[in-house]
Amino acid sequence: DTAVSQTPKYLVTQMGNDKSIKCEQNLGHDTMYWYKQDSKKFLKIMFSYNNKELIINETVPNRFSPKSPDKAHLNLHINSLELGDSAVYFCASSQDWQGPGYTFGSGTRLTVV
Amino acid sequence: GNSVTQMEGPVTLSEEAFLTINCTYTATGYPSLFWYVQYPGEGLQLLLKATKADDKGSNKGFEATYRKETTSFHLEKGSVQVSDSAVYFCALWTGAGSYQLTFGKGTKLSVIP
Repeated sequence: DTAVSQTPKYLVTQMGNDKSIKCEQNLGHDTMYWYKQDSKKFLKIMFSYNNKELIINETVPNRFSPKSPDKAHLNLHINSLELGDSAVYFCASSQDWQGPGYTFGSGTRLTVV
Repeated sequence: GNSVTQMEGPVTLSEEAFLTINCTYTATGYPSLFWYVQYPGEGLQLLLKATKADDKGSNKGFEATYRKETTSFHLEKGSVQVSDSAVYFCALWTGAGSYQLTFGKGTKLSVIP
């Protein structure tokens, strides 16, 4: 059973396109996250959602729009893709009040050409 | 703000060598500290953690001790194996309500036979 699953695993698309990455967790966690990992492996928080509410939006361009239809899902939609958006995007979840038991998905490698 | 500083990589060691990856942090209050590992092509996995000063986290032969006086959480292993080749991330969590892990920049370890 995959605890945090992301789809797709790989995404290659042209500049200017709109794309979505989906994330689902079956751990019953109340908090979900999107992290971006650049080519130098640096991990940076993009968004945090707690009980479907946006908690952290870390200076991400408004071309990036997260959507949390329920506690188990946090999707990431990206409009007008740019070359600089190429990266690996990780979804994660945790039960925040219980402590930082973060579980990460396996990542989505986005390549914009 | 909170930050984590890790030693620059890459680190290349021969099998059975001793490993140290330095990590220091800046944070308000009393954070919990973590080491995550990312094997090639995979997501992040929790390697070990420590939640208070002088705690020692350990797993798979790796150890790290939470040193409040030096604000450090150095990762050590007595005898590395080729299978330990990965990127290692030090991270901190400042408590419920912070809704994020703050990561260091990662240290790539390559172990050669």
